[in-house]
Amino acid sequence: NAGVTQTPKFRVLKTGQSMTLLCAQDMNHEYMYWYRQDPGMGLRLIHYSVGEGTTAKGEVPDGYNVSRLKKQNFLLGLESAAPSQTSVYFCASSVLRTADTSPLHFGNGTRLTVT
Amino acid sequence: DAKTTQPNSMESNEEEPVHLPCNHSTISGTDYIHWYRQLPSQGPEYVIHGLTSNVNNRMASLAIAEDRKSSTLILHRATLRDAAVYYCILRDGTGRRALTFGSGTRLQVQP
Repeated sequence: NAGVTQTPKFRVLKTGQSMTLLCAQDMNHEYMYWYRQDPGMGLRLIHYSVGEGTTAKGEVPDGYNVSRLKKQNFLLGLESAAPSQTSVYFCASSVLRTADTSPLHFGNGTRLTVT
Repeated sequence: DAKTTQPNSMESNEEEPVHLPCNHSTISGTDYIHWYRQLPSQGPEYVIHGLTSNVNNRMASLAIAEDRKSSTLILHRATLRDAAVYYCILRDGTGRRALTFGSGTRLQVQP
């Protein structure tokens, strides 16, 4: 039982390049989330999904796209990377239950640098 | 969404109790109070949550004020491993809205 796994762990991109971050969870969770964390800041929600085939925008969705084709995977895409997207990206998942018993499980992050 | 207010940083000595405060004066009746912590270079991890009553688990205790406008996370005996950023978050009862993280409280533990 690996929990939430993010790949890659590190990546350096040049401005304008594209890439996809992969999040995989093996806990059969319905909800999945992508957050970004800039240095010294809290986490900000980019996009989330409440089930296979569904996605929704979070607080800072611009410049990102997501897909949830399989329940266990949630992909975050950057079509044309910008230096402002330099950040640490965290994926999380949770079960579909009432809020009092559904903590989020986080991966260990992907550190992305855009030069 | 209801907001939370936490001190930017706190210090504690190893083996001593730590009380981390959180104010949430605009909390609604269906909001749960969640606490997460983030160790250096790791993703956040769940610590504890509660609605109205005080809660205990193996990691910590959560004391909730009677009017629910504030709460306190209690670490009974701080260890060096407890040095982290602690986030107090409100989550609505449907669970359908994603968690919103503020900047949290950075806890330093001195040996």
